[in-house]
Amino acid sequence: NAGVTQTPKFQVLKTGQSMTLQCAQDMNHNSMYWYRQDPGMGLRLIYYSASEGTTDKGEVPNGYNVSRLNKREFSLRLESAAPSQTSVYFCASNGRGFYEQYFGPGTRLTVT
Amino acid sequence: KNEVEQSPQNLTAQEGEFITINCSYSVGISALHWLQQHPGGGIVSLFMLSSGKKKHGRLIATINIQEKHSSLHITASHPRDSAVYICAVKETSGSRLTFGEGTQLTVNP
Repeated sequence: NAGVTQTPKFQVLKTGQSMTLQCAQDMNHNSMYWYRQDPGMGLRLIYYSASEGTTDKGEVPNGYNVSRLNKREFSLRLESAAPSQTSVYFCASNGRGFYEQYFGPGTRLTVT
Repeated sequence: KNEVEQSPQNLTAQEGEFITINCSYSVGISALHWLQQHPGGGIVSLFMLSSGKKKHGRLIATINIQEKHSSLHITASHPRDSAVYICAVKETSGSRLTFGEGTQLTVNP
């Protein structure tokens, strides 16, 4: 099993550009999450999907959209990137009734 | 004030020392997690506990629900233990985790 995979690993964008971060898990997990991690702050939840077909806002959803394409895949889109979105983005998943989360390797995004 | 507070923020130890990292939280929880983030950035789950104590190798995690406090102990620390250790709680209501800011541990040889 690959666990949770994310692409790309690194990305540099100019202000106003758009991009999609991809996440996939092969553990048949119901719930998937997108977090951002900034220096001096804990991981903050952007969006989550409790099951296929549902998505909900987390703590910091502004400037982002998500799609739960199927049970395996959960993508995060930045429509018009801003320097404030420079961060490391992590995708995670967990199974029903299990609170332990499995994390992807992260995407380091820089917006100039 | 954050719902999850960790202390210390930074910790430097000599190889072989006994290490304690603390986590306090202010909400009712159903589970508490300890995570490890290595310098390369990957995050792995170390423990998930809702009561008592768990042990895995040189790592021990304890939780006191009444005092809303958890500790992570590392016995006989080693340079490879150098990482950021993150505490996270799952509130009784809701399905999401709330994270502490992390504790940067450096173990020198």
